[in-house]
Amino acid sequence: EAGVAQSPRYKIIEKRQSVAFWCNPISGHATLYWYQQILGQGPKLLIQFQNNGVVDDSQLPKDRFSAERLKGVDSTLKIQPAKLEDSAVYLCASSLGSGGVNQPQHFGDGTRLSIL
Amino acid sequence: AQSVTQLGSHVSVSEGALVLLRCNYSSSVPPYLFWYVQYPNQGLQLLLKYTTGATLVKGINGFEAEFKKSETSFHLTKPSAHMSDAAEYFCAVSGLQGAQKLVFGQGTRLTINP
Repeated sequence: EAGVAQSPRYKIIEKRQSVAFWCNPISGHATLYWYQQILGQGPKLLIQFQNNGVVDDSQLPKDRFSAERLKGVDSTLKIQPAKLEDSAVYLCASSLGSGGVNQPQHFGDGTRLSIL
Repeated sequence: AQSVTQLGSHVSVSEGALVLLRCNYSSSVPPYLFWYVQYPNQGLQLLLKYTTGATLVKGINGFEAEFKKSETSFHLTKPSAHMSDAAEYFCAVSGLQGAQKLVFGQGTRLTINP
């Protein structure tokens, strides 16, 4: 079974530029999550999709961050414009069904974003 | 609302020694508790979880954790550390069975000394 695929693995940009990350979940997984992991901290959920609908985006800074999952499969997370505090690892995860506690989340290796 | 506190951002043990990583949680509803491991430049991997039932939970790689409601704790242990256990460990809590919104602690980096 192929795991969660993310690209790129690393990205370096200057502040005020825009950047996009891509995630392809495990085949058949209906629920997709984007997390932000700042150095020295645990992951923080940014947005959760079930199929192509948003379940929770309460911690997504909507003035600069956007995410979509148009066909209910792969997803894109965008930051525009980037700020220095956006430097972090962005993790994508997926799970079967509605993502209940008996449906564990499978994580990708993440995209490490550095803002200069 | 849920929150997690991991005591000790860095724990160092000798190979073969007991591993103890501490986690305390706060939850307004019965919690579901998880431990994840993260190796360098990789995503998180589920070690074990507590949902209901037996309070002593066994996971992969010889790890186990005990849910203690009276102490609001879910400490992770392994009787004998191996060099391959060196990684970052995260405790997480979820309070909703139908929507696994995980709230993570800040993590504990485990170092194994030869």
